Parts: sequence; structure tokens; C-alpha cells
Amino acid sequence: EDQVTQSPEALRLQEGESSSLNCSYTVSGLRGLFWYRQDPGKGPEFLFTLYSAGEEKEKERLKATLTKKESFLHITAPKPEDSATYLCAVQASGGGADGLTFGKGTHLIIQP
Amino acid sequence: ETGVTQSPTHLIKTRGQQVTLRCSSQSGHNTVSWYQQALGQGPQFIFQYYREEENGRGNFPPRFSGLQFPNYSSELNVNALELDDSALYLCASSNNRAVNEKLFFGSGTQLSVL
Repeated sequence: EDQVTQSPEALRLQEGESSSLNCSYTVSGLRGLFWYRQDPGKGPEFLFTLYSAGEEKEKERLKATLTKKESFLHITAPKPEDSATYLCAVQASGGGADGLTFGKGTHLIIQP
Repeated sequence: ETGVTQSPTHLIKTRGQQVTLRCSSQSGHNTVSWYQQALGQGPQFIFQYYREEENGRGNFPPRFSGLQFPNYSSELNVNALELDDSALYLCASSNNRAVNEKLFFGSGTQLSVL
């Protein structure tokens, strides 16, 4: 069974204080690892897809990296508008249309 | 370009009732999937529809069923509602049935079962 574990569950940072969110996964063949951002009362918003170990992607203050067992979402010099729940998900490379398996998320609060 | 829209935004039902939730996919998308998100949890995959047929399903009982229409809009039906069905139901569309590259999610329907 595919599993995704995210840590920490919650993180409070000061504006400008860089940190990293962790996503550990077990999957029977990885088709893709995804990062989404979810604001209160809204659906998840796509951030990144990573396909193979060693891959990195960046967008503004966010950088996602991937190893064979985990992914990190690095946040550099965050701003209050970066406050949200960050969700990690995996898709297995099965033959059918497999949905995403999500973790519980990391609730990030950036204080001014 | 219109995004994914869901209706209603909130719904209150009692145990044993039936409910239908609706979703309009993003323009040009032919694949729709539904997810259930309980409070404090990540979304959980219910099923996926491609060209009006179910082509993938998560670990949900048969009382969860769906439809996709020729215009790619979709419905989620839940029969014999249980208290544990209380959750945010999310619809997501994409343009590739096999690879869930960049799903576009709606804002969801918050279902409360009393």
C-alpha cells in the first residue's frame, strides 16, 4: 500500500526565516511526486511534479527536491503570504488510472 | 479560461439520506477525479472518470458512485449517508487520464451528515 508521511505537522516561522518541509514515501514504483498548496476553504493548488531521484524544481521562494525515499520543500526567506498547508502526494506506476495518495500536510504559518 | 467549479458549496444531510454533488471541469479537460478530505487529513482518492467511464477507483464502497457527461461535467452520488461521510469533497480535472500531471481542483463541497 502506498504511503506518504509529512513532517512536521505544523511549523511556525518568522518572516525571512528559511526552513524545509519533509515528505517520506513508500510506493510500488513511482510515477510522480507532487507538491500542492492549500489555503483555508479552497482546493489544493499545484506547485511541482518530480519524477526521478536527483530532480529539483524551483518557483519563487520554493524549491522541491527528490530522493528515492523522500522529498523536501525548501522555503527561502518566506513571507506571510506563504502561509498555507503544503500537501505532498505520490502516484504509483500501475497500469490503471491510479489517483494520488496524499499525506496529511504541513500547516505553515509565517509571522510578520 | 474558466476554472473548476463545484456546487453546492455547503450541504447538510441526515444519516441514511442520499446526496448528489456537481462539478464543472476546466475548459478543455477530459478527465475528472473526486477526492474526499476529512478535517485535518489529506485528500483521499475516490474515483476517476475519462470520456464518461470510470477508469480508476480508490478504497471506497459502492454507495459512492459517479457520472461524467459529454460536456465533461461530473456528479458524485453518495447513498445511505453515514456520519463518517462528513468531509470536504473535491473535484479535480486534467487533460491526461493516465498521468495526473497538474490537477486543477475546485474549492469543494463541504458536506455535513447529522
